[in-house]
Amino acid sequence: NAGVTQTPKFRILKIGQSMTLQCAQDMNHNYMYWYRQDPGMGLKLIYYSVGAGITDKGEVPNGYNVSRSTTEDFPLRLELAAPSQTSVYFCASSRQVINQPQHFGDGTRLSIL
Amino acid sequence: AQSVTQPDIHITVSEGASLELRCNYSYGATPYLFWYVQSPGQGLQLLLKYFSGDTLVQGIKGFEAEFKRSQSSFNLRKPSVHWSDAAEYFCAVGAVDSNYQLIWGAGTKLIIKP
Repeated sequence: NAGVTQTPKFRILKIGQSMTLQCAQDMNHNYMYWYRQDPGMGLKLIYYSVGAGITDKGEVPNGYNVSRSTTEDFPLRLELAAPSQTSVYFCASSRQVINQPQHFGDGTRLSIL
Repeated sequence: AQSVTQPDIHITVSEGASLELRCNYSYGATPYLFWYVQSPGQGLQLLLKYFSGDTLVQGIKGFEAEFKRSQSSFNLRKPSVHWSDAAEYFCAVGAVDSNYQLIWGAGTKLIIKP
C-alpha cells in the first residue's frame, strides 16, 4: 500500500550544488507530476509526464530537469541550486489526466543556503 | 485562462461549529472539481470530487461539497468540525483544454478553536 514514495524527506543544499529528488509510484499510473509549494501560493506545476519517455514543462520549469525511463519512477533534478528553489516539493501520479484524482507523496522539504 | 479562487486565506472555527470553505473558478464548460486536504507535514489527500450528476457530493471525513454552475462555485462544507480537521484545504479544477494540468487554488488554512 505504498502509493507515491518520495525521497529524501528533508535536505539542505548549498548554493550551486545539485541533487535529485526521487519519486516512485506502484499504482501503474501513466501520469506523473512534480509540484512545488510555497507558503500562500498553492501548488505550482514544474514538470509532468504522460508516460515513460514523455515529459513536458509545467508552469515553473526553469532550474529543473526530469526524466521518465520507467512507468514507476519520475526523478526531479536541480542542477545549480539557488535560494529561490527553497520550497516543498511534491510528486503526484494519476490514472488519467484531469478526470481522475492525483495521488501525492509526502513531500521533500528543501532548503538552499 | 482558467483560474481558481479561494477567497479566504485562513478561517477560524470553534470545535463543533459548522464550516464552509469557498471555491470559485473561471471556466466556460463544466470542469472536473476536486477538494484536497493537507495536514501539517503531509502530502495532499483527496476529500471529494465532482465530475457530473448530482451536484451535492459526499466525501471522506464527513465533508460534502456542492457544485453551483450559476455561481461557478464548489464550496466545501462540514456540519460539525473536529479539532483533527485543522489543516489546509485546496480546491482544484481540471478542464479539457487545461493542457494536462489541474489548476489549484492558493489554499485555505482552517484553525479550530477549542
